[in-house]
Amino acid sequence: GDSVTQMEGPVTLSEEAFLTINCTYTATGYPSLFWYVQYPGEGLQLLLKATKADDKGSNKGFEATYRKETTSFHLEKGSVQVSDSAVYFCATKTGGFKTIFGAGTRLFVKA
Amino acid sequence: GAVVSQHPSWVICKSGTSVKIECRSLDFQATTMFWYRQFPKQSLMLMATSNEGSKATYEQGVEKDKFLINHASLTLSTLTVTSAHPEDSSFYICSPEDREFYEQYFGPGTRLTVT
Repeated sequence: GDSVTQMEGPVTLSEEAFLTINCTYTATGYPSLFWYVQYPGEGLQLLLKATKADDKGSNKGFEATYRKETTSFHLEKGSVQVSDSAVYFCATKTGGFKTIFGAGTRLFVKA
Repeated sequence: GAVVSQHPSWVICKSGTSVKIECRSLDFQATTMFWYRQFPKQSLMLMATSNEGSKATYEQGVEKDKFLINHASLTLSTLTVTSAHPEDSSFYICSPEDREFYEQYFGPGTRLTVT
């Protein structure tokens, strides 16, 4: 079945550092890919998405590119802030059916 | 944007009692509803999928008689945890899917603590 693998955390960075969180997926068909963010004590929020190969999703300075050849959707941000501290989930959804989530990567950003 | 509400946001109950969690899509209609649970510092685990007016489909290992799901309308779904036990303590998240654009949105979650 479909699955998502993302790098284990926690990831600890200093403010203004560059962030990469790796995500790879296995899926049948042509999935849409997502990054969700969960701030402490809150529910999931959609951060960005891409629906086809080579699409780049972006939001709030975060970016991820749908790479079909490497089945990857790595999340990047050029300069993180303390307020970016959260748990990030990579996810895939095929054919309008259920969303499959990765295990989540916790990010800590130090001032 | 789409707004999803869950009620209550936090509940403590005694072992053996039942708890009902409501999920509402406030500005869109949802034919399909997904219910997830999330343990501390873990990912979301899909519990069941329901379509409006139909019985829910439960994932393997999820007891359908314990977690009762009702999806009576396009804007409301409920999850009832029956005869709750401490091991049912978790964060429950509903996720309605917009019937028009097939976008999946997430509620803010309900934290259940069973004592």
